[in-house]
Amino acid sequence: SQKIEQNSEALNIQEGKTATLTCNYTNYSPAYLQWYRQDPGRGPVFLLLIRENEKEKRKERLKVTFDTTLKQSLFHITASQPADSATYLCALDMQAAGNKLTFGGGTRVLVKP
Amino acid sequence: ETGVTQTPRHLVMGMTNKKSLKCEQHLGHNAMYWYKQSAKKPLELMFVYNFKEQTENNSVPSRFSPECPNSSHLFLHLHTLQPEDSALYLCASSQNRGDNYGYTFGSGTRLTVV
Repeated sequence: SQKIEQNSEALNIQEGKTATLTCNYTNYSPAYLQWYRQDPGRGPVFLLLIRENEKEKRKERLKVTFDTTLKQSLFHITASQPADSATYLCALDMQAAGNKLTFGGGTRVLVKP
Repeated sequence: ETGVTQTPRHLVMGMTNKKSLKCEQHLGHNAMYWYKQSAKKPLELMFVYNFKEQTENNSVPSRFSPECPNSSHLFLHLHTLQPEDSALYLCASSQNRGDNYGYTFGSGTRLTVV
């Protein structure tokens, strides 16, 4: 069955540095992959979507890469700020017809001033 | 506010109670979803509705019963729950597959079964 793996250990990082998170998946090759941010007690918030034919996508200080050969996506937060502290989730659609978005367990990021 | 509103925000219920969770979106989306988020576990997809029709039931026990009367409203009816059903229940919506702008989530209902 499909697995989506994110580093379950929290990532502690100094303000101003770049945080890099990893999302690995097995078996199924998705047409696209999504990243979300979740704050405690709140629902996830959509950040970025990257398609299988895109190598890299950027949005402000965020950068996502997608390597379909390695079955891996990397999520970078550059010039990190304490306000970036949250849990970041990757997600991919489990079926070609869509509407079955499956999430990884998330990686918690803590940016220290 | 995200545009997806869930009520109540918190709910405590006994195992013999019947309660309902409500979700409402006015984003013009045509798909709605229920997810369950337990402590230290990934979000679990429960139900999917496309244009008011249920298209996915992810092996959810019958004590959870969804209802989608129109494309803006989604309910989750609960009865004879177990303590292990305590979790954050999240509603989401999307336009079609969500392959352009992702899913929009509500803030969730924190359910405690006693």
